[in-house]
Amino acid sequence: GENVEQHPSTLSVQEGDSAVIKCTYSDSASNYFPWYKQELGKGPQLIIDIRSNVGEKKDQRIAVTLNKTAKHFSLHITETQPEDSAVYFCAASPTGTASKLTFGTGTRLQVTL
Amino acid sequence: GAGVSQTPSNKVTEKGKYVELRCDPISGHTALYWYRQSLGQGPEFLIYFQGTGAADDSGLPNDRFFAVRPEGSVSTLKIQRTERGDSAVYLCASSRGGVRTGELFFGEGSRLTVL
Repeated sequence: GENVEQHPSTLSVQEGDSAVIKCTYSDSASNYFPWYKQELGKGPQLIIDIRSNVGEKKDQRIAVTLNKTAKHFSLHITETQPEDSAVYFCAASPTGTASKLTFGTGTRLQVTL
Repeated sequence: GAGVSQTPSNKVTEKGKYVELRCDPISGHTALYWYRQSLGQGPEFLIYFQGTGAADDSGLPNDRFFAVRPEGSVSTLKIQRTERGDSAVYLCASSRGGVRTGELFFGEGSRLTVL
């Protein structure tokens, strides 16, 4: 089955700096890669996703890049703000949909003033 | 409410007892998912419903775990003979379904503690 590795496990940045979180996956059949943000006591919330026919996708301060050859994808957050502080999870699915996601272990992002 | 609702939010039980966890999906969402999240880990897939039927139950760890969705809306996750290792947050999510199902909308979870 699919295995998703995520790093770093914790990341501390100053407000206004950029943050990068990286994930690798093992199943070459995976073709859908979402990123979820989880705040304390809440369920995960989708922030951006990318499909395997696209190399990069951007939504305001958030971008995701995908390298299918190397089987890795990354989340980039620019101009970080305190409200970006949360746990971020990457995930992968071989179905092209969110029907069966394999999640990474999470990155706790702390944005300091 | 507009979101996915899960009850109870917290459940403490003793080893060997039976537990039911309920999920009310967003109205109109045909797909429903159960995930389990242990402390410090990412969510782990358990089962996925499309309508009333379980489209994929390959994540259920053993036959003590069972889930139903009899009318295609509310779902119940049932755990028999609970073990301490079952302690986790059980997350339910729903989505619009369809060929290119995208965003999952998660509830806040049911925290299960088995003593």
